[in-house]
Amino acid sequence: EAQVTQNPRYLITVTGKKLTVTCSQNMNHEYMSWYRQDPGLGLRQIYYSMNVEVTDKGDVPEGYKVSRKEKRNFPLILESPSPNQTSLYFCASRIIYLNTEAFFGQGTRLTVV
Amino acid sequence: AQKITQTQPGMFVQEKEAVTLDCTYDTSDPSYGLFWYKQPSSGEMIFLIYQGSYDQQNATEGRYSLNFQKARKSANLVISASQLGDSAMYFCAMREGRDAGGTSYGKLTFGQGTILTVHP
Repeated sequence: EAQVTQNPRYLITVTGKKLTVTCSQNMNHEYMSWYRQDPGLGLRQIYYSMNVEVTDKGDVPEGYKVSRKEKRNFPLILESPSPNQTSLYFCASRIIYLNTEAFFGQGTRLTVV
Repeated sequence: AQKITQTQPGMFVQEKEAVTLDCTYDTSDPSYGLFWYKQPSSGEMIFLIYQGSYDQQNATEGRYSLNFQKARKSANLVISASQLGDSAMYFCAMREGRDAGGTSYGKLTFGQGTILTVHP
């Protein structure tokens, strides 16, 4: 089954404790991205990657890191989480053509206390 | 300026009736794509329908249709014969630009979303 898998689904952590949210896709998609969803703001892109070892900032990259060492994996790293990073996070992947939808992971609900 | 605007924070509809969710967009790029996603209370993002800027006809997918008015820069989602399971958040999104080879580098830009509630 074609899918994007994120882990964990739920996470509560404390300020400053490094964490990683994993994302893996099995569709051989070149393009992967991370979004955060906040009430009233919709989804905003954090980082994206067009292929292995190619990553770039989205609209809200501050406080986040990513890496793309393999085509299927695109982890999101919060080196020192803060309460304003409490949000619902989505990983998405797609092939790089205009008329293709993005496939989303199930979402990770992160709470930083 | 907002690239994607959804002006209806919440909408209510009676079961079996049709409902229109509004979406306006702003771009100067002649090549773009418009998408609608559904997010039920369980949280996942479900792709519903796509409309390309060069498409001559309005997109349709089952009970979903997209009322695309290019000159007005609107891409409203029409859900016919609403069902209780249609109650969810709905997002409109746009992707701009592509190169001569058809590769699109653009991100999806989302609107704020509309919460649809279907009453029995």
